[in-house]
Amino acid sequence: EPEVTQTPSHQVTQMGQEVILRCVPISNHLYFYWYRQILGQKVEFLVSFYNNEISEKSEIFDDQFSVERPDGSNFTLKIRSTKLEDSAMYFCASRRDRPNYEQYFGPGTRLTVT
Amino acid sequence: SQQGEEDPQALSIQEGENATMNCSYKTSINNLQWYRQNSGRGLVHLILIRSNEREKHSGRLRVTLDTSKKSSSLLITASRAADTASYFCATDPNTGANSKLTFGKGITLSVRP
Repeated sequence: EPEVTQTPSHQVTQMGQEVILRCVPISNHLYFYWYRQILGQKVEFLVSFYNNEISEKSEIFDDQFSVERPDGSNFTLKIRSTKLEDSAMYFCASRRDRPNYEQYFGPGTRLTVT
Repeated sequence: SQQGEEDPQALSIQEGENATMNCSYKTSINNLQWYRQNSGRGLVHLILIRSNEREKHSGRLRVTLDTSKKSSSLLITASRAADTASYFCATDPNTGANSKLTFGKGITLSVRP
């Protein structure tokens, strides 16, 4: 069964460094998402992406964040200058076109900012 | 007040018993989805119920939705030790490109062998 994959599984970086988190959504999916989960807290929506552009973003998704679909398979989240509070598990998700709304999540990337 | 509040926060049952978890929400929705998360792992999609549906089944899972009360319940029948995990409800208020999920804090289910 097709799955969303994410790399790396764990990323450690120093404050102020740039990180790129990578995702490969399920191949016939059209909508892509990033969520994050700070340890012990709720899963929070960051951004949705459709038709090669951002369709919605949350307040968390400020100018330090960007997303890209550089080719037909990858979907990336870039954090330009990481802060300690960016430490979290980052999940990529994807879904098919309407009328299917199920979002399928990847295993996550644990980002640790020191 | 927060969208997607589950209760109880923690539930401990014996293997073979049924587990019922509840979720309440505040705003109107297009659909509601339930997910499972094993400790430190990803979110596994369990079931989606649309706003015009009242009940849905998938294997040992039964989900109900009451839009007048803005609540949903997830029933796991004949629980197994492998069902031990955190369970989340997530509401989706939109359709199409603006679809996004708002998660609750989750319910920790422990199934004792």
